Amino acid sequence: GAGVSQTPSNKVTEKGKYVELRCDPISGHTALYWYRQSLGQGPEFLIYFQGTGAADDSGLPNDRFFAVRPEGSVSTLKIQRTERGDSAVYLCASSPPDDRHEQFFGPGTRLTVL
Amino acid sequence: KQEVTQIPAALSVPEGENLVLNCSFTDSAIYNLQWFRQDPGKGLTSLLLIQSSQREQTSGRLNASLDKSSGRSTLYIAASQPGDSATYLCAVGNNFNKFYFGSGTKLNVKP
Repeated sequence: GAGVSQTPSNKVTEKGKYVELRCDPISGHTALYWYRQSLGQGPEFLIYFQGTGAADDSGLPNDRFFAVRPEGSVSTLKIQRTERGDSAVYLCASSPPDDRHEQFFGPGTRLTVL
Repeated sequence: KQEVTQIPAALSVPEGENLVLNCSFTDSAIYNLQWFRQDPGKGLTSLLLIQSSQREQTSGRLNASLDKSSGRSTLYIAASQPGDSATYLCAVGNNFNKFYFGSGTKLNVKP
């Protein structure tokens, strides 16, 4: 079946602009995660959704970052007033509704803030 | 906060060698541990998932072990092949679906 998809694959924007990154999880997966990965580092947790609600948003670095999942499927990560330090690969993962919590990742969106 | 460390950061081996990648974590109250591989410019591919009650999992040439009390997991790769070249990441999950990643081990298998 289809895996996790993310769009766009690459996004170049200018400092101060607003961007939206989209994640389409595997059908039937209730848990959805956003991570940020900088070069040479492991992914860093941003936010976790269970259904439509954000169960844990403790990893969002500041109030410029916001994520939604209005219908419990597709999620959008929104970044306001982008800064050069926001440049990274943004990864999305989903997990099925079972006790294993196995994560399945999308290919990521590479964000470059000029 | 859970800290996850992977050693070595990079490893280069000739084809055919058996090898071990290490992952250590500071808080033993984990829910599960998942090993991934990441190819350059790509997302993460799940390799093995070990629940906290398990000691090991095997898939083909891969074997992952977990010792919660000592805060360690190892990924054993048998008869390595050039196609195994990638970065291997370890992720530790807690009871609240929060996952902490190590920085990875970059593996190069030389033909």
